[in-house]
Amino acid sequence: QVQLVQSGAEVKKPGASVKVSCKASGYSFTSFGISWVRQAPGQGLEWMGWISAYNGNINYAQMLQGRVTLTTDISTSTAYMELRSLRSDDTAVFYCARDLGSHPGSFFDYWGQGTLVTASS
Amino acid sequence: EIVLTQSPGTLSLSPGERATVSCRASQSVSSSYLAWYQQKPGQTPRLLIYGASSRATGIPDRFSGSGSGTDFTLTISRLEPEDFAVYYCQQYGSSPPTFGGGTKVEIK
Repeated sequence: QVQLVQSGAEVKKPGASVKVSCKASGYSFTSFGISWVRQAPGQGLEWMGWISAYNGNINYAQMLQGRVTLTTDISTSTAYMELRSLRSDDTAVFYCARDLGSHPGSFFDYWGQGTLVTASS
Repeated sequence: EIVLTQSPGTLSLSPGERATVSCRASQSVSSSYLAWYQQKPGQTPRLLIYGASSRATGIPDRFSGSGSGTDFTLTISRLEPEDFAVYYCQQYGSSPPTFGGGTKVEIK
C-alpha cells in the first residue's frame, strides 16, 4: 500500500535551517510529484511547493521563495524539504503529499504523517 | 492568487442530519479543479473529492461535491459520528494551489 513516512519532530532556534525527509513506498516514485504543505498550530493548510520525482522540476510558493529547497533522491524514493532562516512563525506541522495532478501543485491523495518543526529560542 | 472563503466557519449538527459546506473563490477556478479534504484532530488530511464532484477512492457516497466557476459545495447527506471533523476546500486550477480556511462540523 502507498505510504509516505516522514522524519521526526525537530526543535530549532530562529535563524537555523531544518531538513525534513519523506520516504515513499508502495508505488512508482517517479510517476508522481510530491507537494509539501504546512499547518501552523490551530490553523489551516498552506501549500509550500511541488517537485516532480520524474525530472526534478520544481514550483515554489512565492512567499517562501529563497528560503525553501525541495529535492528528491530517486535511489531511495525519498523527498526532502529544507527551510532556512527559520522564524518563530514557521512553527508548524509539515506534510509531504503525493500530488496527483498533471501540473505542478494539484491535489493530494496520500499524505505523510506530518513532522512538527518548532522554531523557538 | 485565488482566495477561497468557506462558510460557515462552524456547523453544529446532529448525526443523521445533512451538512452543506460552501466554498467561494475570488476568481473562477479553471476546469473545476477543486478538491475537498477532511481532517480530524491530530490526523492527516484525507482527500474526499477532486474535480469538484469526483469522489476519491474509498469515500462513501454520502459525500458529494458540486459547483463550478466561483461557487462550490460539499454535501454530506446523513452525518455519521465519524464525519465530525474540519473540512477544507482547495483549488488547483491556478498556481499557487490554495486552501480555504476550513469549516468545522461539530456535534450539536
